[in-house]
Order: sequence, then structure tokens, then C-alpha cells
Amino acid sequence: EVQLLESGGGLVQPGGSLRLSCAASGFTFTSSAMTWVRQAPGKGLEWVSSISAFGEGTYYADSVKGRFTISRDNSKNTVYLQMKTLRAEDTAVYFCAKDTQEYFHHWGQGTLVTVSS
Amino acid sequence: SYVLTQPPSVSLAPGKTASIPCGGNNIETKSVHWYQQKPGQAPVLIVYDDTDRPSGIPERFSGSNSGNTATLTINRVEAGDEADYYCQVWDNGSDHVVFGGGTKLTVL
Repeated sequence: EVQLLESGGGLVQPGGSLRLSCAASGFTFTSSAMTWVRQAPGKGLEWVSSISAFGEGTYYADSVKGRFTISRDNSKNTVYLQMKTLRAEDTAVYFCAKDTQEYFHHWGQGTLVTVSS
Repeated sequence: SYVLTQPPSVSLAPGKTASIPCGGNNIETKSVHWYQQKPGQAPVLIVYDDTDRPSGIPERFSGSNSGNTATLTINRVEAGDEADYYCQVWDNGSDHVVFGGGTKLTVL
């Protein structure tokens, strides 16, 4: 059974940093690209970033490019999202998802990031 | 960048057929995927590659894609189908994943 478990969310001040983690199990991690999707309170889904299976390709939404960095450690079956210079508008539940040829069949339950002073 | 447009809400009575459109420029050239999300839960994939259903998804859910509009159809709507529905594509022009704004389905 595929399982994705996000962690690292919390309350952070504007301008601060946070690193999210997504621990994966139940599938061959090195065979799958991974993606972060977020959802602001009461809003829709917003793609944040994706990383290829071996990390050679990374992709970012314009809203986070230059501030967020996606990475993965295939020895730990974990994907990360390093977030810097956080803004109030980054407040959201952040979901980790397993890529399956351009769509997402498996999702974690999400971790809440709140940016507020 | 590529834009997907969905109506904010659709309402209908139980037993009726719901059609949720997802508009995009020449969307028929892309593979469209659909997700159902209930409050407080993660999204669930219900249709992928325009028309295919993952195992466990009822046959009442189906998809189509033609011209500038992809459509999610839910036959014989039930109270348990109340949720937000999102369409999604991969825009290979920008290497971006794109979601529609979502449609809230209300079963009256």
C-alpha cells in the first residue's frame, strides 16, 4: 500500500523559513517523480513543485520560484520542500503526491503551514 | 501560462446527472485528470487520461474531452458525491502542472 506522510508544518513568521518532509513507502521510490501541491484555507488546489525520479529535473510554480527548493533523498525515500522568505499568502495545507505520468494517484494527508506574526 | 476554467458551483437533485465542464484552449490536445475532494480530506483521483477510472471508482463517474472543453459526468448523483471537483493537466509548454479552480457539487 502506497503511503505518503508529510511533516514539518507549523507556524512561522513572515520572512521565515521552514522545511517540509514527505516520507514515502509501499512503492519503488526511485521509479516515481514526486510533487507538492498546496491549498490555502477555503481555496482550490495549487501546484507548487515537482521533482523527477532521480532529482535531475525540478519544476516550480511562478509564485514560489526562487524562494522554494524541492529535493529528494532516495536512500531515505523522502522528498523535501525547503521554503524561504515565507509570505502570508504561503499559508496553506501542503500535500505531497506521487506522480503517475502527469497525474497524481496517491496523496498524503497534508501538513499545515501558517505564516503569521 | 495555460488556464483551466471551471464553474464555481453546480447543484442538482439526487438521481440526476451532473456535468462539470473544464475549459482550456485546445484542451483536447492534452490529457485531463479529475479529482474529488471532500472537506478535510486529501484529493482523490477519479478520472485520468480523459476517460479512464482508477480501480474502485464507480462507473457512474466518467470523463470526456473535445475541442476546448473537458467534462466530468456523474450519473445518478448521490448525497455522498457532494464534494469539490478539480480538473488538472500537465502543460508541456511551460513544464507546469495546472489545476482548474474547482467546482463545488451540491446535492439538493
